[in-house]
Amino acid sequence: SSELTQDPAVSVALGQTVRITCQGDSLRSNDVSWFQQKPGQAPVLVIYAINDRPSGIPDRFSGASSGSTASLTITGAQAEDEADYYCSSRDNSGNHLNYVFGTGTKVTVL
Amino acid sequence: QITLKESGPTLVRPTQTLTLTCTFSGFSLSSSGVGVGWIRQPPGKALEWLAVIYWDDEKRYSPSLRSRLTITKDNSKNQVVLILTNMDPVDTATYYCVHRFAGAFDMWGQGTMVSVSS
Repeated sequence: SSELTQDPAVSVALGQTVRITCQGDSLRSNDVSWFQQKPGQAPVLVIYAINDRPSGIPDRFSGASSGSTASLTITGAQAEDEADYYCSSRDNSGNHLNYVFGTGTKVTVL
Repeated sequence: QITLKESGPTLVRPTQTLTLTCTFSGFSLSSSGVGVGWIRQPPGKALEWLAVIYWDDEKRYSPSLRSRLTITKDNSKNQVVLILTNMDPVDTATYYCVHRFAGAFDMWGQGTMVSVSS
């Protein structure tokens, strides 16, 4: 099955913009999601279908995808955005449909 | 309001079989397009998708764990059961039950930690 690769860690100054990337062949589908996970908590969906936000997710979170790279952008990062972020997509590459997660990116808000 | 809660043993011995139950509310697993999946996370590591079962009883499994996994549902009890055979210490993880709809794992349970040790 495919793998999704993310940078291990990024930092951003309070109020600034940060872009988190995710690379993998399975990202060519439109089934790309992003999850936020804070320490000791379950992940929370912040983006699905590349750039749709569930209700309750601030509009400072946005997503994009091109070819084998997807990205999550936080515009005007807040202290509460400090967390681990995981991308995910559907993988049709093998004989069976399955789902894959990225390696995760730790976002630090300075 | 959708809620999911995982239950099962916190400790299993190597080679034993793990049985986890997800009890959910706020939706029906007989509604078109709805699925319930399992995702796990070893301590300090990334998320790993395990399996998903859909409203029409379609089942999907992780290719790397397919031979060890079974997922079933009981619509009358609003439960989904995951079975993982031949447990190994590398299977130590927090196991999450997750609602899937419209192409997204959109609601997660709180997770249950399972340790594998003799």
